[in-house]
Amino acid sequence: AQSVTQPDIHITVSEGASLELRCNYSYGATPYLFWYVQSPGQGLQLLLKYFSGDTLVQGIKGFEAEFKRSQSSFNLRKPSVHWSDAAEYFCAVGQGAQKLVFGQGTRLTINP
Amino acid sequence: DAGITQSPRHKVTETGTPVTLRCHQTENHRYMYWYRQDPGHGLRLIHYSYGVKDTDKGEVSDGYSVSRSKTEDFLLTLESATSSQTSVYFCAISESSGSGTDTQYFGPGTRLTVL
Repeated sequence: AQSVTQPDIHITVSEGASLELRCNYSYGATPYLFWYVQSPGQGLQLLLKYFSGDTLVQGIKGFEAEFKRSQSSFNLRKPSVHWSDAAEYFCAVGQGAQKLVFGQGTRLTINP
Repeated sequence: DAGITQSPRHKVTETGTPVTLRCHQTENHRYMYWYRQDPGHGLRLIHYSYGVKDTDKGEVSDGYSVSRSKTEDFLLTLESATSSQTSVYFCAISESSGSGTDTQYFGPGTRLTVL
């Protein structure tokens, strides 16, 4: 069965610092991988996705993620965070975009 | 933004009453989904639809039913609401083009409180 683990429930970083959010998955075939962001009281917005090709994927808002098949990971990174990046981040895995399995989420707090 | 609306956006109801949540899309996407979001659980799939009148169960389907009589509408019904169904419910849509562009797009959510 497919599963997603986001080991960090809550992360706090200072504004301007770099960020890495971890995502590990279990999936039997080549997965589609997604990162979504959710601001308080809002729906989920797609940050980026990987389905094939270049393993380093660029997304919106300056985020990127790297697919590492050998480590079953798809970690999200940003070189310098802004206060507006405070939100909850979800990693998801699936076959195509159907029947995604989501991780539990990582809540990001930004210190001024 | 994907054309997805959910109604109502907020609802408070009492245990034992029936509740229906509506998801409406203007994108003509084939797939529609209902998720619930609870602290510490991320999003969990309740039911999904892969076409008009074609639906299937997800991970947490007990106590929920769905219907899809038109491409654009996907209804989630709680036949007899319980306090454990207090949650935020999200609708999502996707297409299946096989081109790698497939993505799930989410609606704004419905906050349901069962007293």
